[in-house]
Amino acid sequence: GVTQSPTHLIKTRGQQVTLRCSSQSGHNTVSWYQQALGQGPQFIFQYYREEENGRGNFPPRFSGLQFPNDSSELNVNALELDDSALYLCASSFGGASETQYFGPGTRLLVL
Amino acid sequence: QQQVKQSPQSLIVQKGGIPIINCAYENTAFDYFPWYQQFPGKGPALLIAIRPDVSEKKEGRFTISFNKSAKQFSLHIMDSQPGDSATYFCAASRIQGAQKLVFGQGTRLTINP
Repeated sequence: GVTQSPTHLIKTRGQQVTLRCSSQSGHNTVSWYQQALGQGPQFIFQYYREEENGRGNFPPRFSGLQFPNDSSELNVNALELDDSALYLCASSFGGASETQYFGPGTRLLVL
Repeated sequence: QQQVKQSPQSLIVQKGGIPIINCAYENTAFDYFPWYQQFPGKGPALLIAIRPDVSEKKEGRFTISFNKSAKQFSLHIMDSQPGDSATYFCAASRIQGAQKLVFGQGTRLTINP
């Protein structure tokens, strides 16, 4: 399945963070979502074949990478208190696949 | 126009009852409507999904009803069990292009024994 690391992370305001995701075997598309406490996940961006394939309403300090082995990173610069959330990675096959499979998420707390 | 509105926010049902969760969407370009189940500390897991060319889809105890003209869809859970207690999210997206899932706010479901 989809794995994410680390499971939990505590950072202070202004710092930078990198979250990692390993897609399900055979999947070549990865999407990242932010889930604030008590809310539904919000789409950050999607990568397909190592290129950004769509982006939600998040500022440029949220950036990502997808590697040839279909693993992925989410980088957030200049952390703000409101960035505290569960960050979810979802993988799927193909740029227009229906089913996205979610990982367990990384819980980020910004102090 | 990108919103998906979900209700109720929370729901308590006795074991064996049929909880119903409703969602409404605005964007008529949406053509894929999944439901996800999320347990505390876990990522969302796909339960069942529907496309707008059918009005109902059933998988095990879970049924989606879809009303294209009203732009509404709902999840019914038959013979609910305490193990079904979780947060349920509806979502919507377009199949073509970057599949950006737009999620509802979630419904916290509690099934009492």
